[in-house]
Amino acid sequence: AQSVTQLGSHVSVSEGALVLLRCNYSSSVPPYLFWYVQYPNQGLQLLLKYTSAATLVKGINGFEAEFKKSETSFHLTKPSAHMSDAAEYFCAVSGRGSNYKLTFGKGTLLTVNP
Amino acid sequence: EAQVTQNPRYLITVTGKKLTVTCSQNMNHEYMSWYRQDPGLGLRQIYYSMNVEVTDKGDVPEGYKVSRKEKRNFPLILESPSPNQTSLYFCASSTLSSGGHTDTQYFGPGTRLTVL
Repeated sequence: AQSVTQLGSHVSVSEGALVLLRCNYSSSVPPYLFWYVQYPNQGLQLLLKYTSAATLVKGINGFEAEFKKSETSFHLTKPSAHMSDAAEYFCAVSGRGSNYKLTFGKGTLLTVNP
Repeated sequence: EAQVTQNPRYLITVTGKKLTVTCSQNMNHEYMSWYRQDPGLGLRQIYYSMNVEVTDKGDVPEGYKVSRKEKRNFPLILESPSPNQTSLYFCASSTLSSGGHTDTQYFGPGTRLTVL
């Protein structure tokens, strides 16, 4: 079984401030981990993914995430928020041998204040 | 351009009137999937398919049907829609990795369905 918990359904930051979106996962097998972003009235697009190579993963738009096995975490960060980062962010897990199942967290809505 | 297309984008219907939402991808992906997105619940998988004529249930399959007769198409069928199926629906596709876990999924633009 696999699951994802995103702490905080809504995060609000000021422009230029650090963005930290939290994701903890549960998987009985080695996981692939993903962060997707959804801009208003659009589909989801991949920000970054962890596939068992480097534990620090860099994605698009200046985002990065670090896989920490001991903490079962895959938090998403960006040093300096931009207004265009306002969107909903989803963490997802797919475990090795999970029959290609992708399980999403409930999402975190990021608001960026001027 | 590599893409997943869905039609229609918006649909308002009435209880019990059969409908089909189409999904097509042009990336020759083996894996295709349907999700529904509801506020506060994230995305939940309805059905998925690992290849032509191979489909399986996801987490919330009740009230839905799918078929995969061609590799590029994966329609979602609601034979007797009910108001609790009012939702935002996404189709997605990806390649299959060797380890049994899904790789990057490419999403369609979504279909907003309202069942009155």
